Amino acid sequence: GAGVSQSPSNKVTEKGKDVELRCDPISGHTALYWYRQSLGQGLEFLIYFQGNSAPDKSGLPSDRFSAERTGGSVSTLTIQRTQQEDSAVYLCASSLATGLGNTIYFGEGSWLTVV
Amino acid sequence: AQRVTQPEKLLSVFKGAPVELKCNYSYSGSPELFWYVQYSRQRLQLLLRHISRESIKGFTADLNKGETSFHLKKPFAQEEDSAMYYCALNNAGNMLTFGGGTRLMVKP
Repeated sequence: GAGVSQSPSNKVTEKGKDVELRCDPISGHTALYWYRQSLGQGLEFLIYFQGNSAPDKSGLPSDRFSAERTGGSVSTLTIQRTQQEDSAVYLCASSLATGLGNTIYFGEGSWLTVV
Repeated sequence: AQRVTQPEKLLSVFKGAPVELKCNYSYSGSPELFWYVQYSRQRLQLLLRHISRESIKGFTADLNKGETSFHLKKPFAQEEDSAMYYCALNNAGNMLTFGGGTRLMVKP
């Protein structure tokens, strides 16, 4: 596709339910990132995948959060037993590689509301 | 640890006025700095990066290593510049660290 694609664009879920958010990076991009954009909190790094290397999970806020990337392309962010504080826009991004000079492209985000 | 600080959450100026969005960073190495912009109902997109030393939509930003700053400037603001602006630091490839963002409102 032309850009990073995320689904669903909007999700309302009940507290305690699990949710899955999907990201299709730009074709050929080896690096994939998940960020969270909360009201008043700015952009928070969650997890980063680069090729076949082990992901950098240092930004995941709790063990309820996990992510995987299958076949080096599509990624799924899973939030188990959702809480109201999980309500945010979850942004996926990808880049051709890593290192200085690379441009990171963002998707439009998945807006999650936990009620 | 790396950190990016944008001291102003909201900046309001009149059309035609100069605008400066402040960004300060802390990082022990040689960082790469960016400005990203998010217009209403649009995705976050790259505005400019310090290594390009270019002007995009009339905006410029100079990396000042002595003051650890990367302020975004435009001499004459336009209404279409109203958006959320994020300063970001790349720590040699692994991820971007973002500031808290500044909402710019340009009034007619």
